[in-house]
Amino acid sequence: AQSVTQPDIHITVSEGASLELRCNYSYGATPYLFWYVQSPGQGLQLLLKYFSGDTLVQGIKGFEAEFKRSQSSFNLRKPSVHWSDAAEYFCAVVLNSGAGSYQLTFGKGTKLSVIP
Amino acid sequence: EAEVAQSPRYKITEKSQAVAFWCDPISGHATLYWYRQILGQGPELLVQFQDESVVDDSQLPKDRFSAERLKGVDSTLKIQPAELGDSAMYLCASSLSGPRREQYFGPGTRLTVT
Repeated sequence: AQSVTQPDIHITVSEGASLELRCNYSYGATPYLFWYVQSPGQGLQLLLKYFSGDTLVQGIKGFEAEFKRSQSSFNLRKPSVHWSDAAEYFCAVVLNSGAGSYQLTFGKGTKLSVIP
Repeated sequence: EAEVAQSPRYKITEKSQAVAFWCDPISGHATLYWYRQILGQGPELLVQFQDESVVDDSQLPKDRFSAERLKGVDSTLKIQPAELGDSAMYLCASSLSGPRREQYFGPGTRLTVT
């Protein structure tokens, strides 16, 4: 069955440090991949997406992600974390469930805490 | 900037009661989704609409949940009767049609069943 795995439940980094959040997927073909961010009590905001082409994609708020087919990974990175980046981050993949249904399947999320 | 609207933002109800959530998608978005997010988990799709038609409701507990989008615009998700296990965040999202279209999420309704 198709799945998305985010192995880190909680990560703490110091402000100004670099960040990498891991995401692995299990899918027969190359899926469409997304990273979303969710602040406490809020909905989800799209950070970036990958469909095809250049495997390094740039997103909003200084985030980037790299698609590695050989590792079935789509890790999210940021060179210098700001306190406002503290939130929960979700990796997601679009699955074609048939009959026009394109279902977003999410990982369980990684909660990011930032130390001043 | 256009946003997905949801109401109420918070709802507390007793088990066995009925509860309803409302969603108004971004104007022009034909596809509407309802997700349930249990604390500490990622959202899970409950139902997807294309205009007024249900495209996918395979994970909707149909014995107690119902969803409608009568005129292909706003939508209502209902639970009757509510159970303790239904406590969760209910998120609505909308998009233009197709798999490459970004889904825009509303702020969600936090449901607590006591």
